[in-house]
Amino acid sequence: ETGVTQTPRHLVMGMTNKKSLKCEQHLGHNAMYWYKQSAKKPLELMFVYNFKEQTENNSVPSRFSPECPNSSHLFLHLHTLQPEDSALYLCASSGLAFTDTQYFGPGTRLTVL
Amino acid sequence: TQLLEQSPQFLSIQEGENLTVYCNSSSVFSSLQWYRQEPGEGPVLLVTVVTGGEVKKLKRLTFQFGDARKDSSLHITAAQPGDTGLYLCAGAESNYQLIWGAGTKLIIKP
Repeated sequence: ETGVTQTPRHLVMGMTNKKSLKCEQHLGHNAMYWYKQSAKKPLELMFVYNFKEQTENNSVPSRFSPECPNSSHLFLHLHTLQPEDSALYLCASSGLAFTDTQYFGPGTRLTVL
Repeated sequence: TQLLEQSPQFLSIQEGENLTVYCNSSSVFSSLQWYRQEPGEGPVLLVTVVTGGEVKKLKRLTFQFGDARKDSSLHITAAQPGDTGLYLCAGAESNYQLIWGAGTKLIIKP
């Protein structure tokens, strides 16, 4: 595997379900990001981790819970989501937070019923 | 809060035509990036412009950063179906966080 990978690529869940999104980067980077992409809206930065420490949490509802066990892996735990949370969730990584080029994964298309 | 407006939101043209898309803000950015996102993929960085008035070329794509570093344009010459995608611009604030535009969806018809 090369670059940034995300699993699953597609996810359909009910509002009472608990699921997790996984991101893995094979670039030796130290910063990882979660973004939400909704149609016709700008990318929304959700969380940033730099050297495994969370440095940004842009007022994201607590039903989204990130986890970064090491610099290569990033998870987004989901529980009791709302239909408006349906979107493409993108993971990205960079050498250092914000100062280097960000490389994106292909995203997870999430549908909340 | 800084905003980046991209125009047009959608553009569909025939192969071989030229086009320009725009990225505008009322605020100054330290740099500006252009990305292309193809269906089912994440955004891929095309170019970063840093200096006011800077022009960068990437084959048939020409990127320009406004003199005041508030706006940018992307011009494509002789568009090809492979240019189809969502073009995103992102401006870097002084703290290096990126402010994103909503994108221009471009379709090049054969």
